[in-house]
Amino acid sequence: SSELTQDPAVSVALGQTVRITCQGDSLRSFYPSWYQQKPGQAPVLVIYGNNNRPSGIPDRFSGSSSGNTASLTVTGAQADDEADYYCNSRDSSGNLLMVFGGGTKLTVL
Amino acid sequence: EVQLVESGGGLVQPGRSLRLSCAASGFTFDDAAMHWVRQAPGKGLEWVSGINWDSGKIGYADSVKGRFTISRDNAKNSLYLQMNSLRPEDTALYYCAKDRGYSALGDFDYWGQGTLVTVSS
Repeated sequence: SSELTQDPAVSVALGQTVRITCQGDSLRSFYPSWYQQKPGQAPVLVIYGNNNRPSGIPDRFSGSSSGNTASLTVTGAQADDEADYYCNSRDSSGNLLMVFGGGTKLTVL
Repeated sequence: EVQLVESGGGLVQPGRSLRLSCAASGFTFDDAAMHWVRQAPGKGLEWVSGINWDSGKIGYADSVKGRFTISRDNAKNSLYLQMNSLRPEDTALYYCAKDRGYSALGDFDYWGQGTLVTVSS
């Protein structure tokens, strides 16, 4: 089955821009979805498809993808963005199979 | 308002079984694929199983294949996970998640609050 690789931790100064990456072979075929999870809370979908944001997600969140690497960019990071972020993708086999990345802990300094 | 409410978790001995349920409301249930996602204490998210809108396509993570069975009852707006031969490594918070599509796209736009499963003797 596919695997998705994320950096375990990333930090950003308040108001600056940060990119969280996700690598995997399945990303050559499918856009990933991205989730934000704060302590003690369920995950929240922040980006899906080709850079689509669900209703209520601030436009400082954006997504991009090239080859086997996808990125979630937070432009002008806020203290409230401090959280764990996970990417997810369908498996490229065509079977109903999904995989999450290991997650990235974002710290806003 | 979309609501997903999981139930059925608890403490169970290794080798025993448990059945999780997810009651859905606030959307047309048979318009959406559904999934179970788990999170072990202090760990990341792990996709467990998914089912498309009409149960015509089902998938499992390798870690649970042959032990867990996903099902849905569209008449009752409910999703289920039958978990057999439970192992200590199955200990986790189990989330029910709605897919954005009727076939499984992998975009989980709504999540429940989870039900905790603890496998221990």
